[in-house]
Amino acid sequence: DAGITQSPRYKITETGRQVTLMCHQTWSHSYMFWYRQDLGHGLRLIYYSAAADITDKGEVPDGYVVSRSKTENFPLTLESATRSQTSVYFCASSRSSSGRNEQFFGPGTRLTVL
Amino acid sequence: KQEVTQIPAALSVPEGENLVLNCSFTDSAIYNLQWFRQDPGKGLTSLLLIQSSQREQTSGRLNASLDKSSGRSTLYIAASQPGDSATYLCAVTIGGGGATNKLIFGTGTLLAVQP
Repeated sequence: DAGITQSPRYKITETGRQVTLMCHQTWSHSYMFWYRQDLGHGLRLIYYSAAADITDKGEVPDGYVVSRSKTENFPLTLESATRSQTSVYFCASSRSSSGRNEQFFGPGTRLTVL
Repeated sequence: KQEVTQIPAALSVPEGENLVLNCSFTDSAIYNLQWFRQDPGKGLTSLLLIQSSQREQTSGRLNASLDKSSGRSTLYIAASQPGDSATYLCAVTIGGGGATNKLIFGTGTLLAVQP
């Protein structure tokens, strides 16, 4: 299906485990983003990528790692999950860096760290 | 630091009523402002995008205005319907369109339209 997809949609893991959240878009958008959504904080940017092999930190990058070997994929890895990383994670994409371009969001991954 | 605030946090109205959702931001140096809708357990759907040079945008029953100098935007929903029930988020794009277009989100307004 065309669009932006995330997997898994739900994940329960334990403290200290490594977890990877997947994001895939079919539009060939240059820009991709990872956000987390928490009560009281709204959505906050974790990492973003301007193109394959180009990534940069957002507002809350600690404890996360990203990579982008292909334009269409932008996985987010929690190297050693902590309870504070329990959240809903959203991936988004945008055609370019121009402010004229909207960001389109995936359905989200609900992650629970026990 | 840019901060985005949405008031009220929650709103309940009877079906058919016209309503206004408010969004304010602290730094007028924005590239654009977007209004999103989020249904429970779902992702975000972009409703309207207003460029910094624009004053308003319309889509169907929705009208969004932007007053950049005062740091305010409103989303007007005409003739509300139960299907409009959702959380509405506003977000501003910062960075002047250079290397990135970072979105700064408000915490949203939870709207319930009663049949």
